[in-house]
This record gives sequence, structure tokens and C-alpha cells, in this order.
Amino acid sequence: TQLLEQSPQFLSIQEGENLTVYCNSSSVFSSLQWYRQEPGEGPVLLVTVVTGGEVKKLKRLTFQFGDARKDSSLHITAAQPGDTGLYLCAGAGSYNTDKLIFGTGTRLQVFP
Amino acid sequence: ETGVTQTPRHLVMGMTNKKSLKCEQHLGHNAMYWYKQSAKKPLELMFVYNFKEQTENNSVPSRFSPECPNSSHLFLHLHTLQPEDSALYLCASSPEWVLASGTDTQYFGPGTRLTVL
Repeated sequence: TQLLEQSPQFLSIQEGENLTVYCNSSSVFSSLQWYRQEPGEGPVLLVTVVTGGEVKKLKRLTFQFGDARKDSSLHITAAQPGDTGLYLCAGAGSYNTDKLIFGTGTRLQVFP
Repeated sequence: ETGVTQTPRHLVMGMTNKKSLKCEQHLGHNAMYWYKQSAKKPLELMFVYNFKEQTENNSVPSRFSPECPNSSHLFLHLHTLQPEDSALYLCASSPEWVLASGTDTQYFGPGTRLTVL
């Protein structure tokens, strides 16, 4: 069974702190996406990475796709309460499945 | 309205009831999806429709029955559900079937929170 493991599962931090969320798999993906889901809402796409080693920045968020395209990380600088939510990674185009596989999720709480 | 809408937002039903979830997308997309989001499991793909045709049924029990009358509307008919079916059911759409490119954006609705008693 395909699995994208995210760590940590839960994270509570103070406003202004930095954090990194990891998304790991034993499978190779052709692309990987990161979503944020706020309470009462559906996930919203933040970024798609497609090239091994690729780094993308979205304001205070930095996304990296591993060289081997099996893992990814999301780094948030100077977290704000508005960053609170469930962060999901999702991999597409794995070699033995054509489904979009979602990660286990990281629930982030940023306190003022 | 814009985006992807889902109704109802909350639903409580008994195991012998029959109910339906509705999803509507106003984005002109050709592909629509049903996902199940449980507390302790990753988001699970249930069904995929591309140009109104079902292209994916991810081993979903027959007590869940999807219907896609046109590219803008998607239904999930529920009957004789079990308590373990309680979850957030999310609908999504994308311009094309996302698996074709792996980089298409899926737009999610807010979900229906289902509780089966």
C-alpha cells in the first residue's frame, strides 16, 4: 500500500517561530503537491513541485522536492496565527499507481 | 456562486436511512471527485468522474452510489451506512482528470460532515 508519511503529526508553536513539516515515502512521484485545510473548509492547493531538488517559495513558505522525488518539506518562517490549519502533501504519478496519494497530515496551531 | 459547493454541510442519519450528498462546481471543469476524510486516516479517493463517465472506483462499498448527471453536478447516494462511515466527505473538481498530468489543481468544496448513528 502506498503511503506518504508526514511528520510531525501535530505541532503547536508561538507566533514568530519557524517550523518544518516533512513528507516522506518509499515511492517515487512525478509531482508532489502541498495543501492547507482550515477548519470547516476543504483543502486548498499551495504549490506543486515537479522536478527533483526543486525549491519553490510562497511568501514565508518554502517548499522543497527531494532529489529522488520521494520526499518533500515545507518550511514556514515567522509563523502567524493565520498559518493554523491541516497541511497535506499529495503525490501523483507514482510508478505503480495512477492515483493521487495524500499524506497523513500535519496539524499546525500557531498561538498569538 | 463560484467555486465548488456542497450540500448539506452537516448530516446525521440512521443506519437504515437513505440520503444524498450534492456537489456543484461553477468552474467549467471536466473532472469531479469524491473523497472521504476520516479522523485517523489520510484523505481517501472514492470515485472519479471525467466528462461524466466514472473512471475510478476505489473499492468503495456498494452502500455508496455516485451519480454524475453532467459535468457540473455530482451526487453521492447513501443507504444502509455503518457508524464507521462517519466522516467528512469532500467533493473536488479539476480542469481535466488530474492523473493525466499530475500537476492539475484540484479545487475542493467545504465538505459534508456525516454522522451515522
